[in-house]
This record gives sequence, C-alpha cells and structure tokens, in this order.
Amino acid sequence: DGGITQSPKYLFRKEGQNVTLSCEQNLNHDAMYWYRQDPGQGLRLIYYSQIVNDFQKGDIAEGYSVSREKKESFPLTVTSAQKNPTAFYLCASSATMNTEAFFGQGTRLTVV
Amino acid sequence: GQNIDQPTEMTATEGAIVQINCTYQTYVFNGLFWYQQHAGEAPTFLSYNVLDGLEEKGRFSSFLSRSKGYSYLLLKELQMKDSASYLCVPMDRNYQLIWGAGTKLIIKP
Repeated sequence: DGGITQSPKYLFRKEGQNVTLSCEQNLNHDAMYWYRQDPGQGLRLIYYSQIVNDFQKGDIAEGYSVSREKKESFPLTVTSAQKNPTAFYLCASSATMNTEAFFGQGTRLTVV
Repeated sequence: GQNIDQPTEMTATEGAIVQINCTYQTYVFNGLFWYQQHAGEAPTFLSYNVLDGLEEKGRFSSFLSRSKGYSYLLLKELQMKDSASYLCVPMDRNYQLIWGAGTKLIIKP
C-alpha cells in the first residue's frame, strides 16, 4: 500500500538532547513538508522540500534542521536550540506543490 | 497576512445537514482545500476547489466563490464519526497552504 509513514508515534526526550523524527513516503511525491501543531492551534510550517537535495525554511524553522538525500525520506531533527519542542509533529507529501497533501500519522514529542 | 475566518465550534444532530462557512483574504489565492482532523490525529484531505462552484463527493460538498473570498463545506446525513475539526486551507501565490485552527464540529445523537 502507498502511504506516508512517521515513526515513532510517541517520543520522549530529555531537555538538551537532539532528536530526529523519521518520515518516509512511497507515493513517488516530489514535495514533502514538516509541520508543527500545538493544542488548539493550526499547523505551522517548519521546512519543506520541492525536490531531492533541496529544501526551504518555513515560518518556524529556528531550532530545526532537515535533509532530503532521497526522494522517499525527509527526516526532521529537533535540536536543543528549539525553545519549546514539545508538540505534535506532522509530515506530509504531495505530488507537486499545488496538489493535495497527504499526512503521516504524526509524532507526539514530549521533552522533559 | 492571510486571515481565515471560520466558526470556532458548531453542533449538529446525527442524520442532519451542516454547513461550515469560511472566508479568507482574496488578493493571493491559488485554490482552497478542506481537510478533516479528528482529535489527536493527522488531517485527511476532503476536497479541493480552484474554480468557482460546487464540488460534490459523496456526503461532502465544497463550494467556492473567489470574488467573495468565500467557501463552505456541506456535510449531509451526519454520522457520529463526523465529529472532528474541519479546516479551510487556502493556498497562496507561492503554493503555501495557510492553516487556521478550523471549526470543531460536535455531532449529537
């Protein structure tokens, strides 16, 4: 089955540690995205990538980093520089930038 | 910036029809999506409108008027599983999706 997979669903880390969230898609989509959602809020764009080996900052990129070495994969690293990392992280992909986005199940990150 | 105006919360009865309205700023626009998001889950795609008019897809229909900066999502034959947030998501000139907090729809028996 084609889809987009995020892992793990729940993740706990100690403050000051970097953590990498996985996102893999087998939909052959060119574009991939990372969003953050806080309770009662809309999604906020962290990073996006339109093509392999290229990515752009979104609205809240500070404290995060990404890579796009393969078309299928777009991992997100939450660094210790991110002041409020506890959130629901959503990865999405779309065939192109102007088509509907499909989401993974999300990773709920808690930093203690 | 882009403002999206949707009701924060709506309540409807199982089996009934509900219309969720959305207005947005019109000067940058490249289509509009509707997504459904159940509590604690990721959004799922419902519909896409780029031209004026009504798009029907089963129990769900979406309408767009670009000149008025207005869209609505119509849900028919409501089921309990339709209890969720509904997100009106315009796409700007740079093909970026603009996400608001959406409308929380509560379905009562």
